[in-house]
Amino acid sequence: QSALTQPPSASGSPGQSVTISCTGTSSDVGGYNYVSWYQQHPGKAPKLMIYDVTKRPSGVPDRFSGSKSGNTASLTVSGLQAEDEADYYCSSYAGGNTIIFGGGTKLSVL
Amino acid sequence: QVQLVESGGGVVQPGRSLRLSCAASGFTFSNYGMNWVRQAPGKGLEWVAVIWSDGGNKYYADSVKGRFTVSRDNSKNTLYLQMDSLRAEDTAVYHCATRHSGGWFYFDYWGLGTLVTVSS
Repeated sequence: QSALTQPPSASGSPGQSVTISCTGTSSDVGGYNYVSWYQQHPGKAPKLMIYDVTKRPSGVPDRFSGSKSGNTASLTVSGLQAEDEADYYCSSYAGGNTIIFGGGTKLSVL
Repeated sequence: QVQLVESGGGVVQPGRSLRLSCAASGFTFSNYGMNWVRQAPGKGLEWVAVIWSDGGNKYYADSVKGRFTVSRDNSKNTLYLQMDSLRAEDTAVYHCATRHSGGWFYFDYWGLGTLVTVSS
């Protein structure tokens, strides 16, 4: 299985909104509502930000939201803050008891 | 609080073996499915393997199937990854991670990882 496709970079100014896409196929993103998003700061472990396409774990600000249309999932960060600058990875269940990740997107807050 | 500490990484020649450990504390280890996720230097994340809380089910990524074996010792609160027939492309930081309540395919708590370098 190939990795899910994410843009290598995204950026926005403080207070703005930015959306990161994650494109897969009907065998993964399009086939299941088991998409998640992780935030990773340099030298840190990843942190779960979104699961089940749209759900936020406890403690994740509501500035983070997820959605899906067809084979493409999206993460939107509203009201950008400096601490949102990080790498973001999408992930999807891909059937056959396997999980696939995206290549990652580096979000810069200008 | 939840702590996951990986160990056992290092430099190993292609074709050789290595066993990683993940020591868990701060939660009831025996109640949680556990995963291994790796990250090659400067690259993205790749799921490696999962083991159910009782060790009854184990699943692997195609890239490691037949070469890696995941196991656990609930009496020692420790997760393992036996890696055989190592290849250069297995070079990565290996993280252990607990499953999330939403599903085994979501990763909740993570360790900082241990670096495995496969090189001659």
